[in-house]
Amino acid sequence: GQQLNQSPQSMFIQEGEDVSMNCTSSSIFNTWLWYKQDPGEGPVLLIALYKAGELTSNGRLTAQFGITRKDSFLNISASIPSDVGIYFCAGQPSYAGNNRKLIWGLGTSLAVNP
Amino acid sequence: ETGVTQSPTHLIKTRGQQVTLRCSSQSGHNTVSWYQQALGQGPQFIFQYYREEENGRGNFPPRFSGLQFPNYSSELNVNALELDDSALYLCASRSSGRAGADEQFFGPGTRLTVL
Repeated sequence: GQQLNQSPQSMFIQEGEDVSMNCTSSSIFNTWLWYKQDPGEGPVLLIALYKAGELTSNGRLTAQFGITRKDSFLNISASIPSDVGIYFCAGQPSYAGNNRKLIWGLGTSLAVNP
Repeated sequence: ETGVTQSPTHLIKTRGQQVTLRCSSQSGHNTVSWYQQALGQGPQFIFQYYREEENGRGNFPPRFSGLQFPNYSSELNVNALELDDSALYLCASRSSGRAGADEQFFGPGTRLTVL
């Protein structure tokens, strides 16, 4: 099935460092969502974005909906060990209409060295 | 507020068998989506149910079918299981028709292994 281009695929950082990851698409999206998934668990919603240019924060997390509506990024500031996990971007493409199915990236695996 | 729950948590089946997975939506949510997540991959959309009818489907064969009940809980049925059906099956619920309607909330998943 269709997937978003998410990068980087994995990151290994030191505690306290900032992290940045992004997602791109060839299609225009109406919605961008960022999720975190721990092993054996379902994804947990972190941030939802609905307008081009929108910048939203959730604690140490900040995400933006790209102006072109074809990309989004997620930043994590001052990383801590519990930030470890897989981060997924997901979006609803404009061509889906009322279908509202989400298209997903392959995930960014984050490891934090204490 | 009760979150999304799924049962069973783990399941082992053999090729050719049939399986039913269950999901209870988060309180107040009327739309349920099912996803298949293979190891190391992102979730793949199977289908979505709203008002007890399927109203969106991904690229999955007809042997993947579902139901939604009046209380908005849902089932995923898979017939004639194949080895490649081994995956984490995720259920997500949301509330259609209001602001933030695209925000889906996931259950913990059912890990299906087909031998």
